[in-house]
Amino acid sequence: AQSVTQLGSHVSVSEGALVLLRCNYSSSVPPYLFWYVQYPNQGLQLLLKYTSAATLVKGINGFEAEFKKSETSFHLTKPSAHMSDAAEYFCAVTPGVGNEKLTFGTGTRLTIIP
Amino acid sequence: GAGVSQTPSNKVTEKGKYVELRCDPISGHTALYWYRQSLGQGPEFLIYFQGTGAADDSGLPNDRFFAVRPEGSVSTLKIQRTERGDSAVYLCASRPGGGSVTGELFFGEGSRLTVL
Repeated sequence: AQSVTQLGSHVSVSEGALVLLRCNYSSSVPPYLFWYVQYPNQGLQLLLKYTSAATLVKGINGFEAEFKKSETSFHLTKPSAHMSDAAEYFCAVTPGVGNEKLTFGTGTRLTIIP
Repeated sequence: GAGVSQTPSNKVTEKGKYVELRCDPISGHTALYWYRQSLGQGPEFLIYFQGTGAADDSGLPNDRFFAVRPEGSVSTLKIQRTERGDSAVYLCASRPGGGSVTGELFFGEGSRLTVL
């Protein structure tokens, strides 16, 4: 069985400050990991993914995440927050090829303080 | 439109009634997924279609839930004898068939179901 845990259901950062959203995973096989973002009144959108290539993954809108096997983590970061980053962020995991289920975390709502 | 379309966007029904939720995937996407998102939770897998067939329906919670995709494009999620616990946002996603779930899923905005 696989799962992800997102620490912090709500995170607030000032505009221009570092964004750090935490995700830890549990997996019995090498995982594939994802971050999806949901902006208000929009569908979930893929930010970035780790699929066993480079451990540092760059995504859209200046976000990146690093896969750390020793820490079973896949934290999402952005050096400088922008007002448009306000959204809900979901970490997700799958065993990958042959298994079509994504298991999502409970989400982190990011608020940007002007 | 070019994205995944879900109708209705909002549905309010009474306990015990039958409900249908529709998903129009992106044209040409052969893989289609249904997820359910309860308040304060992340999306939870329900069912996966590859073409017309349900390749994995292990996430359907019980036999009151059923989904079809008769022509390999539009899908309908059907819920019989609705219960208050079925209240949630039902999400549909699609992707091109040549890839896998490790590729990008394209999500609709969801159908919010409220059972009174």
